[in-house]
Amino acid sequence: NAGVTQTPKFRILKIGQSMTLQCTQDMNHNYMYWYRQDPGMGLKLIYYSVGAGITDKGEVPNGYNVSRSTTEDFPLRLELAAPSQTSVYFCASSYSMGASNQPQHFGDGTRLSIL
Amino acid sequence: EDKVVQSPLSLVVHEGDTVTLNCSYEVTNFRSLLWYKQEKKAPTFLFMLTSSGIEKKSGRLSSILDKKELFSILNITATQTGDSAVYLCAAGPPEYGNKLVFGAGTILRVKS
Repeated sequence: NAGVTQTPKFRILKIGQSMTLQCTQDMNHNYMYWYRQDPGMGLKLIYYSVGAGITDKGEVPNGYNVSRSTTEDFPLRLELAAPSQTSVYFCASSYSMGASNQPQHFGDGTRLSIL
Repeated sequence: EDKVVQSPLSLVVHEGDTVTLNCSYEVTNFRSLLWYKQEKKAPTFLFMLTSSGIEKKSGRLSSILDKKELFSILNITATQTGDSAVYLCAAGPPEYGNKLVFGAGTILRVKS
């Protein structure tokens, strides 16, 4: 009954460092998403994927990269961490087939601070 | 530009009160509106609305969508301290599953 699992839960980075936020889901969902949540700003879509091997930019993709080599995993990569990337990051997944779009299920988030 | 606006930004009520949270949207090719509850961690799904005028209910929570006026409300009756959370509204187009635009959320605090 794991759902969407994100690691790590917390991380502090120095400016210029790189890291990968991991996300895996065990619900066989075809769609996966990465969001960032800043205080008072709601959730902003960074990247999304409609299936293995297919990714696309969301609203705020600059400074991030993703890959989707399997259905289960959707890692988010920060190459050169900047203070503006301090945020809480949420991964989500959903099932979509034709006109049947199911709600997104979210992981518990990764709190990232760039100092 | 697509946008979702929630009001109020925050409110404080006492246990037993009824609250109404508002969500207005302007989203290209709108298909569905979703409500989520976020406590300390992951947003958890409450409702998905696709048709106007049809109320969805789950216990003390209910929600309705007006596609003509482009808004939705979430009602919580007989509030409890466990209802304290951020309530997020999101609206999405039909393409690529639920590519959602989120509002900033309403912070609800229920005092005992």
